[in-house]
Amino acid sequence: QVQLVESGGGVVQPGKSLRLSCAASGFTFSAYGMHWVRQAPGKGLEWVAVIWYDGRNKNYADSVKGRFTISRDNSKNTLYLQMSSLRAEDTAIYYCARDPGGGWPPIVLYYFDSWGQGTVVTVSS
Amino acid sequence: EIVLTQSPGTLSLSPGERATLSCRASQSVSSTYLAWYQQKPGQAPRLLIYGASSRATGIPDRFSGSGSGTDFTLIITRLEPEDFAVYYCQQYGRSLTFGGGTKVEIK
Repeated sequence: QVQLVESGGGVVQPGKSLRLSCAASGFTFSAYGMHWVRQAPGKGLEWVAVIWYDGRNKNYADSVKGRFTISRDNSKNTLYLQMSSLRAEDTAIYYCARDPGGGWPPIVLYYFDSWGQGTVVTVSS
Repeated sequence: EIVLTQSPGTLSLSPGERATLSCRASQSVSSTYLAWYQQKPGQAPRLLIYGASSRATGIPDRFSGSGSGTDFTLIITRLEPEDFAVYYCQQYGRSLTFGGGTKVEIK
């Protein structure tokens, strides 16, 4: 059973940094691309970033490019999101999500077949 | 960027009724690259449909997706109490965007 558990959220001042983690279990983590998706309070969904199964390729939404960095440690089955220069508009629930393109060769399909429960990030002075 | 417009914003129906949700794209989307998600309050989204019409694992057959080009539809044939939620469409053909959501509420 796929399980994704996010952590690391909290209240942070504008301009500061925060690192989110997502612990994965129940599947071969190293075979799947992984994403971060966020949802501002009372709003819809916004894709943030993706990382390929081996960490070699990454893509970002324009809204976070240059400020956020996605990474992974396949030996620890963990996905990360390093967020810097945080702004009030980054306030959201941050979900990690699995891309269904596992298999061989692994591909990234850019939709999401499993989601974590999310971690809340609030950017406020 | 492809903009997805979902309508109606809110759908008020009774259990047992049929729900028809629309997702319209500002540019043509390959039907291979259209997904639907369900989100209940306080929960993460759940994948319902991918490739416009393929049901995800474990999704009941009362959920069906169709469409092509710029017009896509999610149909719930007979609403169960657990189906009242917000539904999002997402395209993943060119970059990745979500629609604004349709809330299906109990009438």
